[in-house]
Amino acid sequence: KQEVTQIPAALSVPEGENLVLNCSFTDSAIYNLQWFRQDPGKGLTSLLLIQSSQREQTSGRLNASLDKSSGRSTLYIAASQPGDSATYLCAVRPGTDKLIFGTGTRLQVFP
Amino acid sequence: DVKVTQSSRYLVKRTGEKVFLECVQDMDHENMFWYRQDPGLGLRLIYFSYDVKMKEKGDIPEGYSVSREKKERFSLILESASTNQTSMYLCASSLSARVGGQYFGPGTRLTVT
Repeated sequence: KQEVTQIPAALSVPEGENLVLNCSFTDSAIYNLQWFRQDPGKGLTSLLLIQSSQREQTSGRLNASLDKSSGRSTLYIAASQPGDSATYLCAVRPGTDKLIFGTGTRLQVFP
Repeated sequence: DVKVTQSSRYLVKRTGEKVFLECVQDMDHENMFWYRQDPGLGLRLIYFSYDVKMKEKGDIPEGYSVSREKKERFSLILESASTNQTSMYLCASSLSARVGGQYFGPGTRLTVT
């Protein structure tokens, strides 16, 4: 059974730091992996989608990598800002149309 | 850009009422999903649909039903609302192709009193 774990569960950093959020999954048979951001009381916003054949995706200050064989993905946030404060979720798409979500990392960036 | 909309951001209903939550997507996606999200329990899949009039149970379908009469619209129905159905409800859609990601609506915060 596929399980997705995110470490750390919570992170508090000063503005300007470069961050790495980690996501690990137990079964490497996935179609893709998606990183989401969720603000309190809101829906999920898709940040990056990495296909199983890709190694990384970039969008602005965000970079996500995927190492399928070792069951790991990282989300790198460059030059963090207070507006980056949110919960970050990763999710894998196994051989079905459903997603398996991680437990999330709650990020706080203080000025 | 994919757009998924939900009929209400906040909803307050009484125990025993029948509740309809509506979701609409504008990207011609085949798949649509309903989740609920509760503190400490994460996102849990209630139902999903991979085509018009088709549905499959997710992890927690008890107390819910769904309807998909048109490709762009997926409704979640609480036949007789109970207080333990107070939650954040999230709708999502995706392409059925392997490359598809899921895209979420803004959520509906439902309170059952």
